[in-house]
Amino acid sequence: QKEVEQNSGPLSVPEGAIASLNCTYSDRVSQSFFWYRQYSGKSPELIMSIYSNGDKEDGRFTAQLNKASQYVSLLIRDSQPSDSATYLCAVKGVRNAGNNRKLIWGLGTSLAVNP
Amino acid sequence: NAGVTQTPKFQVLKTGQSMTLQCAQDMNHNSMYWYRQDPGMGLRLIYYSASEGTTDKGEVPNGYNVSRLNKREFSLRLESAAPSQTSVYFCASTHEENAGVGLSGELFFGEGSRLTVL
Repeated sequence: QKEVEQNSGPLSVPEGAIASLNCTYSDRVSQSFFWYRQYSGKSPELIMSIYSNGDKEDGRFTAQLNKASQYVSLLIRDSQPSDSATYLCAVKGVRNAGNNRKLIWGLGTSLAVNP
Repeated sequence: NAGVTQTPKFQVLKTGQSMTLQCAQDMNHNSMYWYRQDPGMGLRLIYYSASEGTTDKGEVPNGYNVSRLNKREFSLRLESAAPSQTSVYFCASTHEENAGVGLSGELFFGEGSRLTVL
């Protein structure tokens, strides 16, 4: 089982719809969760972070965290063609031998918003 | 607002050649990272530096060396490039409240360096 799993997609939604991206993780003690957006040929860019159960909203983006079920999701309301990108889920995992918590990355979900 | 600056953006090497990727950040971050990204493999951590003067291996350190020159700069060196090192390399930085504990996952990335080894 991969430590952080995402559907690779592509997820295709029409313009104006809600895009729902999901991520599951295996380490129950994970405490920090992040969504990054990566446009083709560009670097990842942080769009949301969430640290406690429940919802966190920022503009058209809502991150949802359910630690009991070990999943985190990202909802994009009123999807725009400019939202077309790969969305990476990252989870702050257990300490390694050097006492530094690892950031564990999913492989990303490709989102296509069709005009 | 330069953020994280990487050089070069593109490089083609022959097998066995050496090169250094440079990274500098102007955000006064204490932690810096080097990742590589390959299709189907995602982002993989090569080396990181939790604070000035310290460096540690990540998931895929073989064939690489790093230097944390000062708080701003973190370089990645390929001593003898191999075709398996063909990849896109990203430098990233963040501010950790407690260096070494690694509480923050809010990374700022450079634009990337595309390296091809023939």
